[in-house]
Amino acid sequence: GDSVTQMQGQVTLSEDDFLFINCTYSTTWYPTLFWYVQYPGEGPQLLLKVTTANNKGISRGFEATYDKGTTSFHLQKASVQESDSAVYYCVLGSNYQLIWGSGTKLIIKP
Amino acid sequence: NAGVIQTPRHKVTGKGQEATLWCEPISGHSAVFWYRQTIVQGLEFLTYFRNQAPIDDSGMPKERFSAQMPNQSHSTLKIQSTQPQDSAVYLCASSLNWGANTGQLYFGEGSKLTVL
Repeated sequence: GDSVTQMQGQVTLSEDDFLFINCTYSTTWYPTLFWYVQYPGEGPQLLLKVTTANNKGISRGFEATYDKGTTSFHLQKASVQESDSAVYYCVLGSNYQLIWGSGTKLIIKP
Repeated sequence: NAGVIQTPRHKVTGKGQEATLWCEPISGHSAVFWYRQTIVQGLEFLTYFRNQAPIDDSGMPKERFSAQMPNQSHSTLKIQSTQPQDSAVYLCASSLNWGANTGQLYFGEGSKLTVL
């Protein structure tokens, strides 16, 4: 069946550091890949959606792409801020289902 | 736009009691989803409705859990005979035009259930 693997459970960075989070996916359908972000005390909210391989999604300083060849997709940001502290989920949209990764908690050191 | 409204935000029940959680989706959204979130299991899909009809309840525990959507403005998740392992944050989400390749989910803030 369809699956998503998000290996980084936690990432700790300092302000202005570069962020890179990677996920891998498996599906027999044409995928759409999403990144959702969850701030403390809130539900997840959509950050980015990428519908075509190698195309870039951009929002709030974050960029996302996916590579069909390596079945991987990633989220990056050039310079993180304290306000980016949150949990980031990679999500595979396939065949009218959403398959959620396990989440990466981003901690920004003061 | 008030967003997805979930009540209560916090509920504490004793083991064996019943818990009912409510969700008011965004007006005009045709799809409503329920998820459960815990530290250990992460985000787990429970069930979803489209135009008030149950479409997929593959994530619902077969016993004690039930969900309904009696009208387009609210859905309920009921847990009978609650157990400590039911303690979690229950999240409701709605979507305007649901399709995994096109749809965006809008989540509420969640209902935190604690079973003592």
